[in-house]
Amino acid sequence: AQSVTQLGSHVSVSEGALVLLRCNYSSSVPPYLFWYVQYPNQGLQLLLKYTTGATLVKGINGFEAEFKKSETSFHLTKPSAHMSDAAEYFCAVSERSSSGSARQLTFGSGTQLTVLP
Amino acid sequence: ETGVTQTPRHLVMGMTNKKSLKCEQHLGHNAMYWYKQSAKKPLELMFVYSLEERVENNSVPSRFSPECPNSSHLFLHLHTLQPEDSALYLCASSQFTGQGAQGPNSPLHFGNGTRLTVT
Repeated sequence: AQSVTQLGSHVSVSEGALVLLRCNYSSSVPPYLFWYVQYPNQGLQLLLKYTTGATLVKGINGFEAEFKKSETSFHLTKPSAHMSDAAEYFCAVSERSSSGSARQLTFGSGTQLTVLP
Repeated sequence: ETGVTQTPRHLVMGMTNKKSLKCEQHLGHNAMYWYKQSAKKPLELMFVYSLEERVENNSVPSRFSPECPNSSHLFLHLHTLQPEDSALYLCASSQFTGQGAQGPNSPLHFGNGTRLTVT
């Protein structure tokens, strides 16, 4: 079974500072990796995804993540935080179901990002 | 407008009540999901309907019963719930491409959820 670990359930940064949200995964096969964001009172929306190819993936709102196989990591970064980035962020890894049909996403526990003025 | 609509947004029910959550997707997807989101816990996949096949998490209690009458509609029927069932219930959809419903070109699209409180 695959798993995802997000280090730090809460991260605070100042506006304009670097955002770094950590994600490590375990997988017996090459994974598909995702970052989702959840704003208050909303569902999750996709920020970016890694499938194959280039290991540095760019997403919406200036976020990017780098797949590092040797470190089994997929950390999310943004060079300069904005107040509107305050939200909960979820890392997820894709695995195939036991029936071989629909893949199931395994989510991390989430990291709440606070941006300080 | 997220493309995935969930109703109601909020629901308070007693342990002896029977209620249903509704989800409708307008994205033309062919796979739909129910997730449970509890505070400080990872999202828990409850049920998946993909190409008319149902996959379920064996740890979900029988007091939760899904129904998927067509590819655009998904229900979660609730009966004799417990207080620990209070959570945010999220519906999602995706396009099953044969590579898996959550293959590289078919991310999940979520609704805004139903906040359920069991008293």
